[in-house]
Amino acid sequence: SQQGEEDPQALSIQEGENATMNCSYKTSINNLQWYRQNSGRGLVHLILIRSNEREKHSGRLRVTLDTSKKSSSLLITASRAADTASYFCAPEGGTSYGKLTFGQGTILTVHP
Amino acid sequence: DAGVIQSPRHEVTEMGQEVTLRCKPISGHNSLFWYRQTMMRGLELLIYFNNNVPIDDSGMPEDRFSAKMPNASFSTLKIQPSEPRDSAVYFCASRPSSGGNTGELFFGEGSRLTVL
Repeated sequence: SQQGEEDPQALSIQEGENATMNCSYKTSINNLQWYRQNSGRGLVHLILIRSNEREKHSGRLRVTLDTSKKSSSLLITASRAADTASYFCAPEGGTSYGKLTFGQGTILTVHP
Repeated sequence: DAGVIQSPRHEVTEMGQEVTLRCKPISGHNSLFWYRQTMMRGLELLIYFNNNVPIDDSGMPEDRFSAKMPNASFSTLKIQPSEPRDSAVYFCASRPSSGGNTGELFFGEGSRLTVL
């Protein structure tokens, strides 16, 4: 099934720095979504980018999509301690359209 | 809307007992997903429903696991008999799905299961 692989597995930065996480996938997609999970909580949707879009912004978040490389990146600018969480990508499309699966995620730690 | 509601939030049981986890999706959402999360295996999709019909249950680990969605506002995930390796956080999620137009998933807060 379609599943994204996030990279790096863990990222540790200082408050105010930017954080970049990457996602790779294997087959064609209709869209790709990014989610955040705070410790002990359910996942929360951050942003969805469609296959015909190359970049999307939402507040301090910037997502890019390169369908030729089958990859996406999530940039969090001016990070805050509250951004500490796990981040997951979920590509959707192809024969598994409608089925949303997740990789192991990137654990982001932002130090105050 | 109250969001996706899961119960119980925590359950501790003994090996061999039956466990039933419950989920109420957001009203109007016609796709429902069950996931299991552990440190070792990450977030695994167990099964998902569209319009109360199971579409893909290939992630259900074995016959001890079963899921039902008797109506649009309720789903259960049952483990019988439970084993210690079933210990995990189980998440339910829902989203509206109209034709080919899918979108974001809304997750519940999870049910933390411990099997002793």
